[in-house]
Amino acid sequence: AQKITQTQPGMFVQEKEAVTLDCTYDTSDPSYGLFWYKQPSSGEMIFLIYQGSYDQQNATEGRYSLNFQKARKSANLVISASQLGDSAMYFCAMRESPGRGTYKYIFGTGTRLKVLA
Amino acid sequence: DAGVTQSPTHLIKTRGQQVTLRCSPKSGHDTVSWYQQALGQGPQFIFQYYEEEERQRGNFPDRFSGHQFPNYSSELNVNALLLGDSALYLCASSLIGAQKGYTFGSGTRLTVV
Repeated sequence: AQKITQTQPGMFVQEKEAVTLDCTYDTSDPSYGLFWYKQPSSGEMIFLIYQGSYDQQNATEGRYSLNFQKARKSANLVISASQLGDSAMYFCAMRESPGRGTYKYIFGTGTRLKVLA
Repeated sequence: DAGVTQSPTHLIKTRGQQVTLRCSPKSGHDTVSWYQQALGQGPQFIFQYYEEEERQRGNFPDRFSGHQFPNYSSELNVNALLLGDSALYLCASSLIGAQKGYTFGSGTRLTVV
């Protein structure tokens, strides 16, 4: 069965510094997608970055980059130049393809990030 | 361009009651998925609707049911509420077959007392 593991329940980072949030995954499918979402206290899941299993380059979106190590089955999120507004829960997720052209996501348990002034 | 809209935002129900949650997908999207997020956990997949049919279902009992309307909006119904059903219920919309691009709503926070 597919599984996402986030081993850091909470992290602290100083404003303007970089931080890495860990994510490992397990799947037997050769084709999969990995996502990171940010969830502020309002509850909405905000898409940050996507990495496809066949993508040759690590994904980047502004201050977010994904350190994709396929052999190790890890997909760590790197946030550069942290801002106070980055304080939130962060979820790693994997796309599962049950068939019929549909997809569902498997989520990890999340990491709560606190940015310190 | 409106995103995913969920209603109500908060709800308090008594054990044993029934509840209906509503979701309007992002403009242009045709698929709606529902997730349950218990406190301190990641979201868990409940089911997904496309063309007014349930296409996929997660490991949830039959007390959880849904519907999709011709305008792509969707409802989640939960019967015989249990205390353990207290959670944030998230709706996500997408285009069928799209490998990325889930758009989530802000959720409905359900409290069962």
